[in-house]
Amino acid sequence: SQQGEEDPQALSIQEGENATMNCSYKTSINNLQWYRQNSGRGLVHLILIRSNEREKHSGRLRVTLDTSKKSSSLLITASRAADTASYFCATGTASKLTFGTGTRLQVTL
Amino acid sequence: EAGVAQSPRYKIIEKRQSVAFWCNPISGHATLYWYQQILGQGPKLLIQFQNNGVVDDSQLPKDRFSAERLKGVDSTLKIQPAKLEDSAVYLCASSPQRVSYNEQFFGPGTRLTVL
Repeated sequence: SQQGEEDPQALSIQEGENATMNCSYKTSINNLQWYRQNSGRGLVHLILIRSNEREKHSGRLRVTLDTSKKSSSLLITASRAADTASYFCATGTASKLTFGTGTRLQVTL
Repeated sequence: EAGVAQSPRYKIIEKRQSVAFWCNPISGHATLYWYQQILGQGPKLLIQFQNNGVVDDSQLPKDRFSAERLKGVDSTLKIQPAKLEDSAVYLCASSPQRVSYNEQFFGPGTRLTVL
């Protein structure tokens, strides 16, 4: 079953704008991860935030985690056409990594 | 460092036929995963191996799906017989750690179409 649910399901922005996508989940977690999937490709790990962390940065990526609300957000700043992809949150528990339904991001020139 | 390799990349079969997918994980990675990703959804774990032992196969439809990881390296996933609803991308992933909640490295996937 899918634990995480991303919002929005689809997002279209122009190059240079910021993109924000959200993830809500249901159970306690060890960590939360974000992955990117380009069309026809496998998933690529972007960033991992542990349950005791609130915010993490990596390049143009900023992730927040609110365990009290069981939610996370991924912010991509100054988006580029190459950022066009599907983005998945994945919740890590002791037994497995469970992926959400994904947000499809389209960045236009 | 070579990534996770999968073959074939694409496969088209008719329902009730059999099909097998192959995965070669990153060298030294102890844990190997097979996921099923139906169009428009996130990946769903089918089976997890730790070396050549099964850790979790709770979501594997065992009446038609089977998987093995001989010698704790390569793995094969088989579907016999295939159904229309098995049309999906089958992703293989590996990780160096024993715990499943750390970063996983994915292969390009095999896109299966069942007609």
